[in-house]
Amino acid sequence: TQLLEQSPQFLSIQEGENLTVYCNSSSVFSSLQWYRQEPGEGPVLLVTVVTGGEVKKLKRLTFQFGDARKDSSLHITAAQPGDTGLYLCAGHTGANSKLTFGKGITLSVRP
Amino acid sequence: GAGVSQSPSNKVTEKGKDVELRCDPISGHTALYWYRQSLGQGLEFLIYFQGNSAPDKSGLPSDRFSAERTGGSVSTLTIQRTQQEDSAVYLCASSPSTGNYGYTFGSGTRLTVV
Repeated sequence: TQLLEQSPQFLSIQEGENLTVYCNSSSVFSSLQWYRQEPGEGPVLLVTVVTGGEVKKLKRLTFQFGDARKDSSLHITAAQPGDTGLYLCAGHTGANSKLTFGKGITLSVRP
Repeated sequence: GAGVSQSPSNKVTEKGKDVELRCDPISGHTALYWYRQSLGQGLEFLIYFQGNSAPDKSGLPSDRFSAERTGGSVSTLTIQRTQQEDSAVYLCASSPSTGNYGYTFGSGTRLTVV
């Protein structure tokens, strides 16, 4: 059983479209993070959320942490080809625990 | 250094040989993590270090896998008697400490066992 379920698994959209992807769990997290990974590189941290209901914005990306700290969403406004990549969510279940990762969402933005 | 450095970037080895993968974390980061990523899979946790100690080795797939960290800095992941199922990208990350910190990842070592 995967601790963190990400959906959809694959998404292909046209440049300029908006999209929302999800990260869900039955477990409570002390913090949740989103990373983006490009081919041949390691994941790069986009955001960390720690408070239930928290919303953070990074340019055209909006991240929300669920009120119960069990889930998160990522919304991209006016997607660009440069947004193409693998989006991974990851959570800490305790103060000294390692990060547990979901399987990721592969996003392709067509010009 | 400025980032997390992993070497080699690519390694092709014959089944049954031993391999060593190296990770040089960001200077001053006390926590160091090893993950494995296979095609179509997320990141699979292997082991983490706080200083030179490994509080959690629960992700190591078998006793053929071992890791050490010396001087609170460089870490080496060793795979003995490699098998084809060990083929994957091995990623190392570091963070200032354990807790809700973000990780900085290296670019990984792509291991291919033939």
